[in-house]
Amino acid sequence: EIVLTQSPGTLSLSPGERATLSCRASQSVSSTYLAWYQQKPGQAPRLLIYGASNRATGIPDRFTGSGSGTDFTLTISRLEPEDFAVYYCKQYGTPPKFTFGPGTKVDIK
Amino acid sequence: EVQLVESGGGLVQPGGSLRLSCAASGFTFGSYVMRWVRQAPGKGLEWVSSISGSGDSTYYADSVKGRFTISRDNSKNMVFLQMSSLSAEDTAVYYCSKGIMGATKAFDSWGQGTLVTVSS
Repeated sequence: EIVLTQSPGTLSLSPGERATLSCRASQSVSSTYLAWYQQKPGQAPRLLIYGASNRATGIPDRFTGSGSGTDFTLTISRLEPEDFAVYYCKQYGTPPKFTFGPGTKVDIK
Repeated sequence: EVQLVESGGGLVQPGGSLRLSCAASGFTFGSYVMRWVRQAPGKGLEWVSSISGSGDSTYYADSVKGRFTISRDNSKNMVFLQMSSLSAEDTAVYYCSKGIMGATKAFDSWGQGTLVTVSS
């Protein structure tokens, strides 16, 4: 079973700074099936990135996904106030199942 | 505009059953995989179950297999999650989500969630 580890657990940054979030898989994951979601308190998750590097509809270009194999990264180039949230990576594997990482909280420094 | 509206959550005793519903609109419902994802209070996200567009194929997380049943009614644009033998570990907000078209299996739309609390 593939386990996803996200680091850091919490990232404290100021608006305008660059955020780099890591998602590491216990074994190789198909990039096709790697996605990133954003969740704000009291809200449902929102799809940010699918296929490791494709921005979902309406997602600003300050969000960039990259990586392959076991190491994936979500980069937020310049944090806006609305970007402070929890970010989850997710993968799909066999048997048909989805696994989420534990999340990285990006909070205001 | 895609809308997903969950209902049916509430307080249920351990060992009890509950049926969640999700009403969908704004897209060709029968063409899309639908999924349930849950989130225990203060915890992360956990995929629960998926169902194909036709309803012929269903999949479950190991934690709910044999206790939960996903189904859909394409004539009513509804997806359901029948939950039985509930325990405290099933306490969570349950989200209905729509699969993205294509091979990536991303979840591109989510409902607001419905809270299930299992407690005596």
